[in-house]
Amino acid sequence: DSGVTQTPKHLITATGQRVTLRCSPRSGDLSVYWYQQSLDQGLQFLIQYYNGEERAKGNILERFSAQQFPDLHSELNLSSLELGDSALYFCASSLGPDDGYTFGSGTRLTVV
Amino acid sequence: QKEVEQDPGPLSVPEGAIVSLNCTYSNSAFQYFMWYRQYSRKGPELLMYTYSSGNKEDGRFTAQVDKSSKYISLFIRDSQPSDSATYLCAMIRSGYSTLTFGKGTMLLVSP
Repeated sequence: DSGVTQTPKHLITATGQRVTLRCSPRSGDLSVYWYQQSLDQGLQFLIQYYNGEERAKGNILERFSAQQFPDLHSELNLSSLELGDSALYFCASSLGPDDGYTFGSGTRLTVV
Repeated sequence: QKEVEQDPGPLSVPEGAIVSLNCTYSNSAFQYFMWYRQYSRKGPELLMYTYSSGNKEDGRFTAQVDKSSKYISLFIRDSQPSDSATYLCAMIRSGYSTLTFGKGTMLLVSP
């Protein structure tokens, strides 16, 4: 157990639907990062939150949004889902850039 | 040209071999370098982390960074079947905290 908890582990949903992925960071970590992993693109950075504030944005679609709550857990919301959104979504947390990232076990999203 | 290039493999070796995994990068702003191991359908696991040129050793693993050539390596000594996984290099630019990953190299160690 890495200390980063992601739920659910698997999600199957239809095109056009909306889903929410949840992440609880490692105890004491203030930064949460969301990554998408697909076979052809590898691990792509989506968005970072630090202590409740958005800190950096990567290749995140407008249909996707995220937030970090006062207890530091984070949610990634994916809406108007398309077949191409099927991927593994990972959350990672860290104390700072000297700390490295700790990844959760991911949520496998399948859009049918 | 991608910022971080990594041969996808697969790289197949017999048990006990020394394995060399490599990445090249194009942006000299990258200052922190990491290697992650990812087993199938699992989250990446941090193996090695370095921020200076030279070698860093941890058990059977050695990470090497050559900033002048923009080239990093991970060596695995006495490879085991349990080392079979995808190895991802990752980097952070100075002044930032987000990781940029290579696509990963799949390693297969046969008994």
